[in-house]
Amino acid sequence: GEDVEQSLFLSVREGDSSVINCTYTDSSSTYLYWYKQEPGAGLQLLTYIFSNMDMKQDQRLTVLLNKKDKHLSLRIADTQTGDSAIYFCAELPYTDKLIFGTGTRLQVFP
Amino acid sequence: GAVVSQHPSRVICKSGTSVKIECRSLDFQATTMFWYRQFPKQSLMLMATSNEGSKATYEQGVEKDKFLINHASLTLSTLTVTSAHPEDSSFYICSALRKREFNEQFFGPGTRLTVL
Repeated sequence: GEDVEQSLFLSVREGDSSVINCTYTDSSSTYLYWYKQEPGAGLQLLTYIFSNMDMKQDQRLTVLLNKKDKHLSLRIADTQTGDSAIYFCAELPYTDKLIFGTGTRLQVFP
Repeated sequence: GAVVSQHPSRVICKSGTSVKIECRSLDFQATTMFWYRQFPKQSLMLMATSNEGSKATYEQGVEKDKFLINHASLTLSTLTVTSAHPEDSSFYICSALRKREFNEQFFGPGTRLTVL
């Protein structure tokens, strides 16, 4: 099967960095994504990375990709309380259907 | 980013009734839309791919007669949950695919269905 794994929960102090990890399965995936879901809402695309890249930085967000280990991470610098949400990684294999990770609940405390 | 709306945002119905959920892409045309289901504290599960002008493609284990999908225009897809039962209670999310140099899915805000 296709399982995209994430740790369930992460708790960080406001102002610290958060690192959310993801292990995907399909090496044919050309794009890998990070989505944010706030309670009772849909998904918001945060950032994405092409499979031929190792790193992508976008303001407070840094995405690292290790294709050899099929490992993706999202680093949020200077984490704020508004960053509290569930974060999903997702891969896009040749089928054009997104495969979502299990989701990581990020809690930011003052 | 592009905007995708869903209506209604929340619906409560009696067991045995049918419920229709609309998904609209407001500022772009979408030949492909997706319907997902999300259980509490779980990830999104793809139910079906909705294709404008043709039949939807359902994922394994999803009953096509139970979840009717109609993609009649380039901006509207509907999901009808027929003869709903309490086990159909869930959060339903649609997305619309915008095809450019980078294909991107834009997600609706979701519909919370509660079947009594």
